[in-house]
Amino acid sequence: QVQLVESGGGVVQPGRSLRLSCAASGITFKSYGMHWVRQAPGKGLEWVSYISYDGTFEYYVDSVKGRFTISRDNSKNKLYLEMNSLRDEDTAVYYCARKGSTMIPIDYWGQGALVTVSS
Amino acid sequence: DIQMTQSPSALSASVGDRVTITCRASQSVSDWLAWYQLKPGKAPNLLIYEASRLQSGAPSRFSGSGSGTEFTLTISSLQPGDFATYYCLQYHWGYTFGPGTKLEIK
Repeated sequence: QVQLVESGGGVVQPGRSLRLSCAASGITFKSYGMHWVRQAPGKGLEWVSYISYDGTFEYYVDSVKGRFTISRDNSKNKLYLEMNSLRDEDTAVYYCARKGSTMIPIDYWGQGALVTVSS
Repeated sequence: DIQMTQSPSALSASVGDRVTITCRASQSVSDWLAWYQLKPGKAPNLLIYEASRLQSGAPSRFSGSGSGTEFTLTISSLQPGDFATYYCLQYHWGYTFGPGTKLEIK
């Protein structure tokens, strides 16, 4: 079955960097666009970033543009989120998620990785 | 930027009740609207996509309707496992989630 497993979360000081990884299995990873979505403590879901199946297109929410970079390695079935200049408000559980068909925005999600930005 | 709102923000209901949640967009998103269920400590679960299409494996008591700027998610007869938070997501103009509706047991 489809499995998406995030790793790399942890506690980091404001202004520092962190890289999240997502390992995919049970899918033909190179055929699907992928997302990062986050949920801050006590808050709702927020879409963060999307990358096309081949890495050609990337999109970001305005609040992370210029600080976060999404990437993928289709040979390793892995998705990444490089987070720089982290802020307190970036504290959240970060979910890796798969884009479904043209009609389905997100169909499978990982269990999430907690990123805490704190001094 | 497109804004999404949901009403109510919280709702108390009983097992067996019929429940309706509304999602509104600040501009038309056509039919590009999905609904997700989120429970604490679990990954979100897709229920409805393209406004009214039931995701494979989702119970048939969930249904969606609407187009343009106003959408509804209806649960025809609440079951104990349905108490959760529900989010709409528009995917016509990028991706934007609604603020969520928390469904609690009365």
